[in-house]
Amino acid sequence: AAGVIQSPRHLIKEKRETATLKCYPIPRHDTVYWYQQGPGQDPQFLISFYEKMQSDKGSIPDRFSAQQFSDYHSELNMSSLELGDSALYFCASSLVQGDINEQFFGPGTRLTVL
Amino acid sequence: SQKIEQNSEALNIQEGKTATLTCNYTNYSPAYLQWYRQDPGRGPVFLLLIRENEKEKRKERLKVTFDTTLKQSLFHITASQPADSATYLCALMNTGFQKLVFGTGTRLLVSP
Repeated sequence: AAGVIQSPRHLIKEKRETATLKCYPIPRHDTVYWYQQGPGQDPQFLISFYEKMQSDKGSIPDRFSAQQFSDYHSELNMSSLELGDSALYFCASSLVQGDINEQFFGPGTRLTVL
Repeated sequence: SQKIEQNSEALNIQEGKTATLTCNYTNYSPAYLQWYRQDPGRGPVFLLLIRENEKEKRKERLKVTFDTTLKQSLFHITASQPADSATYLCALMNTGFQKLVFGTGTRLLVSP
């Protein structure tokens, strides 16, 4: 079965640089979520999109922005990178059916900021 | 502020025994509680979802209970196997919201 695809899997950037992370949800899923997981931390919700519109926003810095495109893939843009941005970034997708919302997570992008 | 707590120390058990993991929350009224498994460097994998009006849910060797009065969920793995070794995360979701709020996770180690 198709899973959530994230690219790149690993990314190394310098401070103050910009990074773009991509997420391709499971076909026919209408919602995409972004989470950030620091070392030894639990995943923290950043932002979500439902049918290409932002549906919820968490603790996402102003330096970050995201969008969902017409083909439902999503991109997380991160500017003015800081050392503290080093983390695993997960994308998840779901198909909201009634009150069921099982989120399927991708393999993550490991971002290292030097 | 909202807080979701799980056993911070690793849980070590012997193969064949039942593992019981705890998730406690405060200042929260979730409509749903979910359990995820996460292996090192990989994304969380959905295991079970339980609604606020459900007391217990089972799936194969897994059982989840949800006590909204105690604000606690227990996650049981019966006949545990070394392959069950992983970090287990509980996650809460409010009615009308879609984001998951994760607990701190408990690392389970099952010895042969």
